[in-house]
Amino acid sequence: DIQMTQSPSSLSASVGDRVTITCRASQSISSYLNWYQQKPGKAPNLLIYTASNLQSGVPSRFSGSGSGADFTLTISSLQPEDFATYYCQQTYTTGGITFGQGTRLEIE
Amino acid sequence: QVQLVESGGGVVQPGRSLRLSCAASGFTFSSFAMHWVRQAPGKGLEWVAVISYDGSNKYYADSVKGRFTISTDNSKNTLYLQMNSLRAEDTAVYYCARDPMPSWGVLGYFDLWGRGTLITVSS
Repeated sequence: DIQMTQSPSSLSASVGDRVTITCRASQSISSYLNWYQQKPGKAPNLLIYTASNLQSGVPSRFSGSGSGADFTLTISSLQPEDFATYYCQQTYTTGGITFGQGTRLEIE
Repeated sequence: QVQLVESGGGVVQPGRSLRLSCAASGFTFSSFAMHWVRQAPGKGLEWVAVISYDGSNKYYADSVKGRFTISTDNSKNTLYLQMNSLRAEDTAVYYCARDPMPSWGVLGYFDLWGRGTLITVSS
């Protein structure tokens, strides 16, 4: 299976900060990379699909970039509701979908 | 209202079986590929299985292959996960999730999730 590694594993930031989370695949996955946000006790929520496409209803302060093996999720100006855990997910192989370990974004 | 509602969770002994259900409403269930994803307590997300919209293709994570079976009943708008030979490491919240593109192959990401149902495998 393709391994996904996120960095950092945890991050402290303040409201208004610009935040970047990185996701690296163990091999090239083209643009088959998606990002989710999960709040405690809730199901994940799709933010970005195929590396850079913003899911309907997601605020424009979220953006994604990258291709091949290296990807980033950027939040341009953190809002209080953005403090959560973020996961990347690769869908390069249908039967081998994998997630990163998660990045916990906390209030500084 | 577009939603997915899982049921069937609970406490089960190692080696026993359990079937999860996921009731869909508010959309044309038979047009979408559907997935199961799980999350062990305090851990990250793990994809479990997918069934294509027409039921012709099913894929499983290596960790459950040969023990779990995914299926649908379009007359009931319901997705199932039959789990056999359960192990302690299967303890998790199980989510059903929808693949986003109707009447298409499996894209593999999820635009609609249920709230999840907790399975605890313990003696």
